[in-house]
Amino acid sequence: GAGVSQTPSNKVTEKGKYVELRCDPISGHTALYWYRQSLGQGPEFLIYFQGTGAADDSGLPNDRFFAVRPEGSVSTLKIQRTERGDSAVYLCASSLTISPGTDTQYFGPGTRLTVL
Amino acid sequence: DQQVKQNSPSLSVQEGRISILNCDYTNSMFDYFLWYKKYPAEGPTFLISISSIKDKNEDGRFTVFLNKSAKHLSLHIVPSQPGDSAVYFCAASGGGSQGNLIFGKGTKLSVKP
Repeated sequence: GAGVSQTPSNKVTEKGKYVELRCDPISGHTALYWYRQSLGQGPEFLIYFQGTGAADDSGLPNDRFFAVRPEGSVSTLKIQRTERGDSAVYLCASSLTISPGTDTQYFGPGTRLTVL
Repeated sequence: DQQVKQNSPSLSVQEGRISILNCDYTNSMFDYFLWYKKYPAEGPTFLISISSIKDKNEDGRFTVFLNKSAKHLSLHIVPSQPGDSAVYFCAASGGGSQGNLIFGKGTKLSVKP
């Protein structure tokens, strides 16, 4: 079946602009995660959803970042007033439930965001 | 402060030999450890995991060893193949992180024919 998809694959924007990044999880997966990977680093947790609600948003760096999952499937990560430091690959993952030991997190290919 | 550390940014091995990738952690409350493999321009792909109550898990050419007293785990790949060339991330869950994973910085493995 189809894996996790993310759009766009690349996004170039100017400092101060607003961007939206989209994630389509694997059908039937209730848990959805957003991570950010900066150059030379491992993925860093941002937020995860169990169904429609954000179960843990402790990784969001500040209030410019926001994510929604209104129908419990597709999720959108929104970044306001982008800064050059926001440049990174934004990864989305989904899993059947939120048990990392038993339910594998499947990652999408990521969206590479470049803020000029 | 990094809770999951991969101190070797790169590793080069000959095809057919063993690859050993290492990972250290600081949080003794982690309950699962996972290895992910990542090719350029792709998302990480799950490889193998181990529960904190075990000390070894094997899947084909891949074996993960866990030493809880040393807070250390390692991934062994035997025999190594050129297609194994990728960045390998060690990750941990639990210990207050709930469902999300805490990743190391990764080790780039190059397997030379």
